[in-house]
Amino acid sequence: DIQMTQSPSSLSASVGDRVTITCRASQTISSYLNWYQQKPGKAPKLLIYAASSLQSGVPSRFSGSGSGTDFTLTISGLQPEDFATYYCQQNYRMVRTFGQGTKVEFK
Amino acid sequence: EVQLVESGGGVVRPGGSLRLSCEASGFTFDDYGMSWVRQAPGKGLEWVSGISWNGGTTDYADSVKGRFTISRDNAKNSLYLQMNSLRAEDTAFYHCARDDFDSTGFYRWFDPWGQGTLVSVSS
Repeated sequence: DIQMTQSPSSLSASVGDRVTITCRASQTISSYLNWYQQKPGKAPKLLIYAASSLQSGVPSRFSGSGSGTDFTLTISGLQPEDFATYYCQQNYRMVRTFGQGTKVEFK
Repeated sequence: EVQLVESGGGVVRPGGSLRLSCEASGFTFDDYGMSWVRQAPGKGLEWVSGISWNGGTTDYADSVKGRFTISRDNAKNSLYLQMNSLRAEDTAFYHCARDDFDSTGFYRWFDPWGQGTLVSVSS
């Protein structure tokens, strides 16, 4: 199976900060990479698909980039509602693996 | 409104069985593949199983292969997960998710997700 590794596992940030989360695949996955946001007690929500396409309704401060094995999720201007856990997920193979998650906490 | 609602979770002893259901509404169910994704309390997400739009193709994570069976009934807009030989490590919230895709069909993602149903395996 393809292993997905996110870094960092957690980070502390303030409202207005620019936040960057990285995701590395154990083998090339082209652009078959999605990003999700999950808040406590809630189902995950799709933010970015195909590495850089913004899901409808998601604020433009969220952006994704990368291809091959290295990917980035950027939040430009962190808002109070953005404090959550973020997961990357590959769909290059049918066994679709997730990263371990990055928790964005209030500094 | 597109909606997925899971049911069937509960407490079961190791070695026991449970059948989860997911009822879909607000979209043409048989246009989409579907998946189950689980999350142990306080842990990350783990894809468990997926099924194609007509049930003709199914896939499983190694951790559940041979013990879990995914199926669907398009006439009832429903997805199922039959879980046998349950283990303590299967304890988790189980979410169903629609397997959405782009115009090429190559890029796929999970959207939306149901709220989940809790399965607790304990003696």
